[in-house]
Amino acid sequence: AQSVTQLDSQVPVFEEAPVELRCNYSSSVSVYLFWYVQYPNQGLQLLLKYLSGSTLVKGINGFEAEFNKSQTSFHLRKPSVHISDTAEYFCAVKEADKLIFGTGTRLQVFP
Amino acid sequence: KAGVTQTPRYLIKTRGQQVTLSCSPISGHRSVSWYQQTPGQGLQFLFEYFSETQRNKGNFPGRFSGRQFSNSRSEMNVSTLELGDSALYLCASSLSGEGTQYFGPGTRLTVL
Repeated sequence: AQSVTQLDSQVPVFEEAPVELRCNYSSSVSVYLFWYVQYPNQGLQLLLKYLSGSTLVKGINGFEAEFNKSQTSFHLRKPSVHISDTAEYFCAVKEADKLIFGTGTRLQVFP
Repeated sequence: KAGVTQTPRYLIKTRGQQVTLSCSPISGHRSVSWYQQTPGQGLQFLFEYFSETQRNKGNFPGRFSGRQFSNSRSEMNVSTLELGDSALYLCASSLSGEGTQYFGPGTRLTVL
């Protein structure tokens, strides 16, 4: 079975600084990978996805992620964060018809 | 297009009662999946329905059940509620099970 590891439970960062949220998955022949964001008292919003093709994936709100097969990683990056990016971020891998999620990373942006 | 909707948004029940949650998928989506989110266990897959058939089930007791109607709307039911069932229940829809899943706002269930 697939698994997803998000090494950082919390990432504090100042506004306008760059940020990287790390995600590693267990190896498989082929993977579909996703990043979702969850704001307080809300559901999950899709940020970006990797299904195939280019390893650099661009998403909404200025986020991007790079699929690295050799390191089984799918790290999320943003060059300059905003206060409104404060939220919980989840990395997920698709297995059959279900998503397997990491434990989440709480991004806290300070002014 | 309207997104995934879930009703009710908040629910308070007592132990031993049962509860039914509802999910309406994005128009045209035929697959509906349910997830439970708790602080301790994180996001866990409950089950997935496609064309009124349950195709996949997570590791939850039989008290958790679901169904899907011909219009793709889905309900999940939890019987004999326990305190540990308190959670945010999220519904997600996709065109098919293999597609990208889009989530609703969730139903916050509190069991007292």
